[in-house]
Amino acid sequence: NAGVTQTPKFRVLKTGQSMTLLCAQDMNHEYMYWYRQDPGMGLRLIHYSVGEGTTAKGEVPDGYNVSRLKKQNFLLGLESAAPSQTSVYFCASSYRSRQGLNLEQFFGPGTRLTVL
Amino acid sequence: RKEVEQDPGPFNVPEGATVAFNCTYSNSASQSFFWYRQDCRKEPKLLMSVYSSGNEDGRFTAQLNRASQYISLLIRDSKLSDSATYLCVVNMDTGRRALTFGSGTRLQVQP
Repeated sequence: NAGVTQTPKFRVLKTGQSMTLLCAQDMNHEYMYWYRQDPGMGLRLIHYSVGEGTTAKGEVPDGYNVSRLKKQNFLLGLESAAPSQTSVYFCASSYRSRQGLNLEQFFGPGTRLTVL
Repeated sequence: RKEVEQDPGPFNVPEGATVAFNCTYSNSASQSFFWYRQDCRKEPKLLMSVYSSGNEDGRFTAQLNRASQYISLLIRDSKLSDSATYLCVVNMDTGRRALTFGSGTRLQVQP
């Protein structure tokens, strides 16, 4: 099992360009998440999905869109990149929570994005 | 106030030392608590869950104090390989089914 994979691993964009980050998991997890991590800020939730075809906003959703057309894939899109979106992006997945309790999240290796 | 607060460190300790980290959280309705470990330029990985009664996994002991809203992690007999950033993670019970991460405490174990 590959676990959670992310592509690309690195990317440099110019302001205003668009791109899509791909996350794939082979663990049959229901839930998937996109986080960004900035120095001193910890991980912040951008968007998440509790199942195929459903998405929801997290803590910092502005400037990002997501889609979950297949259970195993979760895409993060930047329509018009800004320097403030320079960050490390992590995708994660987990099983469906029981009784509202969160289970372990498994993370991908991250995508390092620089916006000039 | 941050929802999950940690001392960023770094904690510099010699091999074999015992070190403890604390973390405070703001939402008293929080239900699930975890410690994750993150190595430099790597993804976070679950170290251990934190249960109300406290739990131990080898050299690592986690405790939860709901009344004071803090979580602790104790590492005994520190190894060089323990050097990493330790993230305190809480399910804030907002219905988001997502976790809230602290910004992490960096540990450097020195020979």
